[in-house]
Amino acid sequence: GQQLNQSPQSMFIQEGEDVSMNCTSSSIFNTWLWYKQDPGEGPVLLIALYKAGELTSNGRLTAQFGITRKDSFLNISASIPSDVGIYFCAGQTNSGYALNFGKGTSLLVTP
Amino acid sequence: KAGVTQTPRYLIKTRGQQVTLSCSPISGHRSVSWYQQTPGQGLQFLFEYFSETQRNKGNFPGRFSGRQFSNSRSEMNVSTLELGDSALYLCASRTSGGSGELFFGEGSRLTVL
Repeated sequence: GQQLNQSPQSMFIQEGEDVSMNCTSSSIFNTWLWYKQDPGEGPVLLIALYKAGELTSNGRLTAQFGITRKDSFLNISASIPSDVGIYFCAGQTNSGYALNFGKGTSLLVTP
Repeated sequence: KAGVTQTPRYLIKTRGQQVTLSCSPISGHRSVSWYQQTPGQGLQFLFEYFSETQRNKGNFPGRFSGRQFSNSRSEMNVSTLELGDSALYLCASRTSGGSGELFFGEGSRLTVL
């Protein structure tokens, strides 16, 4: 499947800081999803995006579906220690049912 | 509402053996997908089932197979295990046929010795 380019690969920040990560693809997607995975657990859905330009928030998290439909970003405001984990973007094309995942952004937050 | 349930959570096998993993989707979800997660390759799509039919398949060898039952529960099987099959196998379900949010289980951690 299509591999998404997710960056940064890892982030080490202090509590209270804002965080931004993004995903890009050479293919057009009709759905973008953002997941968080804690060690030993399955990914948990954070935000789903369905329209180009769409901006959606979930608490301190905000995600946007890029206008070109080839990118998406996730922002976390005022980070807290429980934000620690790996964040994955995932995209779905019109032609298939499978999700294509990025390699993940590992987030570490220090108190 | 119960989430996606996967069993077993952990298992250890030796090369050449086979393994069967089980997944119970969220009630009302008819689509079940399987993904393999490894540190090197990340999350890779194995296959998806909808109404007991395999609708889509990823780029994995024929040793990987699956099925779905009439109650939407699904199993995947890996035969002739290789060391490289060690991974976290994730099952996910969703409501609609082709799109929509995918909800993951906690995974089955397979170690092949």
